[in-house]
Amino acid sequence: AQSVAQPEDQVNVAEGNPLTVKCTYSVSGNPYLFWYVQYPNRGLQFLLKYITGDNLVKGSYGFEAEFNKSQTSFHLKKPSALVSDSALYFCAVRVDTGRRALTFGSGTRLQVQP
Amino acid sequence: GAGVSQSPSNKVTEKGKDVELRCDPISGHTALYWYRQSLGQGLEFLIYFQGNSAPDKSGLPSDRFSAERTGGSVSTLTIQRTQQEDSAVYLCASSLGTESAHTQYFGPGTRLTVL
Repeated sequence: AQSVAQPEDQVNVAEGNPLTVKCTYSVSGNPYLFWYVQYPNRGLQFLLKYITGDNLVKGSYGFEAEFNKSQTSFHLKKPSALVSDSALYFCAVRVDTGRRALTFGSGTRLQVQP
Repeated sequence: GAGVSQSPSNKVTEKGKDVELRCDPISGHTALYWYRQSLGQGLEFLIYFQGNSAPDKSGLPSDRFSAERTGGSVSTLTIQRTQQEDSAVYLCASSLGTESAHTQYFGPGTRLTVL
């Protein structure tokens, strides 16, 4: 079985400050990890993924995430938050073989204050 | 190019009625997925299509739920005898069907409300 934990329901950060949204995972096998963002009344928008290679991956809108195998984590980061980054963020995982369905975390609401 | 589209965007129905939700994947994407997003259960996988066949139906919650895909493109999710607990946002995603195509691209969803 695979699972994803996003321990924070909400993260508050001031505009211009760095932000981190936490994600840990559990899979049997090698993980493929994803971050998606959801704006109100919209579908999920792909931000970035880790498949293999460099542990630091860069994605859309200045976001990046670091894969840490020993801590089974894949935290999302951005050096300088914007008010427009305020949204719901989902971490997701699947294994590298077999089942293709994504397992999602419960989501973290990011609130960036001006 | 166009993204994944879903229709209707909103559907209100009465308990016991059947509903059909439609998904148009990105052109050329042979893999198609249905997920459900609800307040109580979060984001849950329902079913995965590769072409017209469904090798993974493990997420369908009951036999009231079924899905089909024709012509390797459009998919329809059908819920029979709807119940209030079926109220959720139903999301469709598609991806290239190759082993190296990992990213699923999501549509805007259909919000289903069962009264």
